[in-house]
Amino acid sequence: EIVLTQSPGTLSLSPGERATLSCRASQSVSGTYLAWYQQKPGQAPRLLIYGASSRATGIPGRFSGSGSGTDFTLTISRLEPEDFAVYYCQHYGSSPLFSFGPGTKVDIK
Amino acid sequence: QLQLQESGPGLVKPSETLSLSCTVSGGSISKTSYYWGWIRQPPGKGLECIGTISYSGSTYYTPSLKSRVTMSVDTSKNQFSLKLSSVTAADTAVYYCALVVVTATRSSFDYWGQGTLVTVSS
Repeated sequence: EIVLTQSPGTLSLSPGERATLSCRASQSVSGTYLAWYQQKPGQAPRLLIYGASSRATGIPGRFSGSGSGTDFTLTISRLEPEDFAVYYCQHYGSSPLFSFGPGTKVDIK
Repeated sequence: QLQLQESGPGLVKPSETLSLSCTVSGGSISKTSYYWGWIRQPPGKGLECIGTISYSGSTYYTPSLKSRVTMSVDTSKNQFSLKLSSVTAADTAVYYCALVVVTATRSSFDYWGQGTLVTVSS
């Protein structure tokens, strides 16, 4: 079983700052099947990144994903007010077939 | 633009069966490489994928819930459904339906319904 760990649990930053979120897998996984989601309070998650580094349709360029093996990163280059939310990584391909990380909350400092 | 909408009772008694449906609009449910999934989120907690179903009825259930889950699809109604039996308070959650894209080059939950809160209580 592959377990996804996200760090930090909470990231307190100001608008305009750079956010770096980490997703670590308990064993090497394919980046092809690594995705990132954003969830705001009271809303459904929204797909940001798939294939570790491809932006989903309509996602602003300030969001980027990178990584391989066991370590993946979501970077928000300059935080906008609407970016304060919870971010989840997700992997497909092990047992369970679809697994989510516990999330990182990005809140306003 | 694909849209998904969950429907079903918001309150279920312990030991009974939770039943939800998801209606897909703006596109056909019968498309290769599309799977249809159910994800739940207990209040204040993270996301858990319950399982997925293809338009042809091929299913995957997460191991921890497999004994209690049944999913079905009705292509004539562009709809798919979830049944979770023998519910307890631990099954209280917001339940989302979603389109899951799985190909050789990607896998992701691309479109989500707005979610529906199901509370298990007597």
